[in-house]
Amino acid sequence: SYVLTQPPSVSVAPGKTASITCGGDNIGIKNVHWYQQKPGQAPVLVIYHDTDLPSGIPERVSGSNSGSTATLTIRRVEAGDEADYYCQVWDSSSVHWVFGGGTRLTVL
Amino acid sequence: EVQLVESGGGSVQPGGSLRLSCAASGFTFSGHYMDWVRQAPGKGLEWVGRIRNKANNYITEYAASVKGRVTISRDESRNSLYLQMNGLKTDDTAVYYCAREGLNIAMALDYWGQGTLVTVSS
Repeated sequence: SYVLTQPPSVSVAPGKTASITCGGDNIGIKNVHWYQQKPGQAPVLVIYHDTDLPSGIPERVSGSNSGSTATLTIRRVEAGDEADYYCQVWDSSSVHWVFGGGTRLTVL
Repeated sequence: EVQLVESGGGSVQPGGSLRLSCAASGFTFSGHYMDWVRQAPGKGLEWVGRIRNKANNYITEYAASVKGRVTISRDESRNSLYLQMNGLKTDDTAVYYCAREGLNIAMALDYWGQGTLVTVSS
């Protein structure tokens, strides 16, 4: 089955740029979605279709996807960005949604 | 306003059954695929399964970890989604979320409920 690999944790200072990667076999040909989850809350969609922002998500958040890696980038990081982030793709061969293991973003 | 409200969670012994419900409002429920996603304590998100809409024959798809033990259904007249779980195992302990697959956004899960906790323990 298809596997998505994320780093368990990423740390960044306030005001800097955070990059969270999501690796998968030829992931560049898939649509990647990203979710933010804060403690005790349901996940929130922050990027869909690799690069698109849902309404209400700040333009500091962006996404990219090429080759074997998709990346979620958060510029000018704020304390409120501290959360777990998950990538997701549809695996057409197994007919499953697949989530990455999640990355905890810590704002120093 | 789109709302998804899960109910039916609770404690159950291994081998038992439970039926979760998800009440949807604020959108045309019949037009959307609907999913169940779970999260074990301190762990990541795990997709459980989904049910397509009427136009796509209500086809269901399940994760390998639950296939044969769970059934997803929907009732358009009640704008409700269901997850029937049988033969529950301790590994099924998790918060269960229902989520909507959005239209025109590559089917991303654009709205989620608040979740309902299922605890499987003897």
